[in-house]
Amino acid sequence: GAVVSQHPSRVICKSGTSVKIECRSLDFQATTMFWYRQFPKKSLMLMATSNEGSKATYEQGVEKDKFLINHASLTLSTLTVTSAHPEDSSFYICSASPGKVSNEQFFGPGTRLTVL
Amino acid sequence: DAKTTQPTSMDCAEGRAANLPCNHSTISGNEYVYWYRQIHSQGPQYIIHGLKNNETNEMASLIITEDRKSSTLILPHATLRDTAVYYCIVRSWGNEKLTFGTGTRLTIIP
Repeated sequence: GAVVSQHPSRVICKSGTSVKIECRSLDFQATTMFWYRQFPKKSLMLMATSNEGSKATYEQGVEKDKFLINHASLTLSTLTVTSAHPEDSSFYICSASPGKVSNEQFFGPGTRLTVL
Repeated sequence: DAKTTQPTSMDCAEGRAANLPCNHSTISGNEYVYWYRQIHSQGPQYIIHGLKNNETNEMASLIITEDRKSSTLILPHATLRDTAVYYCIVRSWGNEKLTFGTGTRLTIIP
């Protein structure tokens, strides 16, 4: 149990385009989902926390207008990187938490974004 | 949440026990010690967590000192698939965030 998927696993896009990444909890309802970013040989950095049905809370230094997060259902959150630039190239990882039942976080496999 | 300090890297021979230390000298009474690992180009994987008592599951054992200022993750019989970055994280119950440090890069040597 506690499986989290991400789609796509890998995406290459041109500079200036927008990219949407999906995060799904497959066998549990996730009241809270988290989005992380990881640059090569660096640790995971939390970007934002999203609760189902409400606006995401962004970490300091993360532009909310550039990284749009939607958590419309208890099993799906999306991250849209708008007007992507090469410096947005990174490994994006989501995690999901059942919330009231448990505050454990279960991680997705990650999405490798390359912006040309 | 309290900060943690881990060695940057460690090697361990295949089949031997891998012992990964973590210092968390400023841990407070309501903070748990969590361990995750991240295999290259994958998402982190939960390993184990504990508060005061030693814990064991099918993956590993967690030994927490009596003063709770440090802990050790033990992989009893390391295999090549255990090569990963291991993160020790201190988090209070009810705090939904996980703050990842730099972790320990464990390499299992054939």
